[in-house]
Amino acid sequence: EVQLVESGGGLVQPGRSLRLSCTASGFTFGDYAMSWVRQAPGKGLEWVGFIRSKAYGGTTEYAASVKGRFTISRDDSKSIAYLQMNSLKTEDTAVYYCTRDVKVIPIGAFDIWGQGTMVTVSS
Amino acid sequence: EIVMTQSPATLSVSPGERATLSCRASQSVSSNLAWYQQKPGQAPRLLIYGASTRATGIPARFSGSGSGTEFTLTISSLQSEDFAVYYCQQYNNWPVTFGQGTKVEIK
Repeated sequence: EVQLVESGGGLVQPGRSLRLSCTASGFTFGDYAMSWVRQAPGKGLEWVGFIRSKAYGGTTEYAASVKGRFTISRDDSKSIAYLQMNSLKTEDTAVYYCTRDVKVIPIGAFDIWGQGTMVTVSS
Repeated sequence: EIVMTQSPATLSVSPGERATLSCRASQSVSSNLAWYQQKPGQAPRLLIYGASTRATGIPARFSGSGSGTEFTLTISSLQSEDFAVYYCQQYNNWPVTFGQGTKVEIK
């Protein structure tokens, strides 16, 4: 079964850091681009960032709201994607979803989603 | 960034009826448009990408159309499990952006 499982969420104070993990199974992780998408309570979906597969350079893209604070990385040997979140703000409070690109060619549409992990930024 | 606008915000439909959801982009996104369905407490599910290509396992009652700036998701005969929030998303330009969602509710 193709699956993504996020972990690492929780309650954190403003200005602190948190690292989320996304563990993949059921497919060749290294072949696909991976993204993080978040959803604040009661709100819509917001794309956070994206990492291409090594075949496409392994490069990243970020939303303006997180650029310079968040970093996406991947460990293909472990089938894990990471979201390192620094200098957290209260407005970063959301459910964070890990997603897989629908095609091996990275296009930015997402066919596999994890169950999400909640991040709450509050003092 | 490209702004995606969905209409209506809420659509009240009876089971078995047809539902038509609209999505407009602030500039052309070619056919690089996806639709997602989200039910309460669940992750979104990809329905359509490439404006009209159904994702794996998506029933034929879901269809997408459009290109450029105007797109439509049609659900031909609403089933009970189709009542949910639907989001469009463009992936023609970075950052990829989502619409604000259309809630399809039971009439």
